[in-house]
Amino acid sequence: ETGVTQSPTHLIKTRGQQVTLRCSSQSGHNTVSWYQQALGQGPQFIFQYYREEENGRGNFPPRFSGLQFPNYSSELNVNALELDDSALYLCASSAGQGRSSGANVLTFGAGSRLTVL
Amino acid sequence: AQSVAQPEDQVNVAEGNPLTVKCTYSVSGNPYLFWYVQYPNRGLQFLLKYITGDNLVKGSYGFEAEFNKSQTSFHLKKPSALVSDSALYFCAVRDITGSARQLTFGSGTQLTVLP
Repeated sequence: ETGVTQSPTHLIKTRGQQVTLRCSSQSGHNTVSWYQQALGQGPQFIFQYYREEENGRGNFPPRFSGLQFPNYSSELNVNALELDDSALYLCASSAGQGRSSGANVLTFGAGSRLTVL
Repeated sequence: AQSVAQPEDQVNVAEGNPLTVKCTYSVSGNPYLFWYVQYPNRGLQFLLKYITGDNLVKGSYGFEAEFNKSQTSFHLKKPSALVSDSALYFCAVRDITGSARQLTFGSGTQLTVLP
């Protein structure tokens, strides 16, 4: 089975620009979560998608938005980039219903490293 | 609210010696607890989880973790460390009874196993 794949692996943007990151979930997984990992820190939850709808969100502003597609792949969009948005963005997929899947293991992709200049 | 603390940024251990990476947590209800490992330029890889039952959980690559409810701890252990175990380790928690969807991660502990 294929794992979680993310693209691009690295990208550089300037402040104020917009970025779209993409994620293909693991086969059989229907829930996708996005995390931001700043340098030297643990991953922080951005949001989760299940059945193409956002069903959980962390403490991130509205300029962070996402989509989930019928094939369970997902996008993370960040508008009006700020210097502090520089980080590794991790996508994770899991199986089962989004609401009651607390014990489910997340399978992570290798991440997209965003640098904002 | 749920939170995780990993009190040690760095742990060094000699190859062949036992290792412990510490983790304490805070949740309103009962926890689901996880350990993940991250190698350079890689995503997080699952090691083990505690859901319920036996307090000693065995996972991948010879790792185990002990759940201690009274001390709200979930320390990661391995009887004999390998150089290849050198990596960044993250503890994570999710409240069983809460509405939170997310895993909350600690800040990570860099484990270095010296040959």
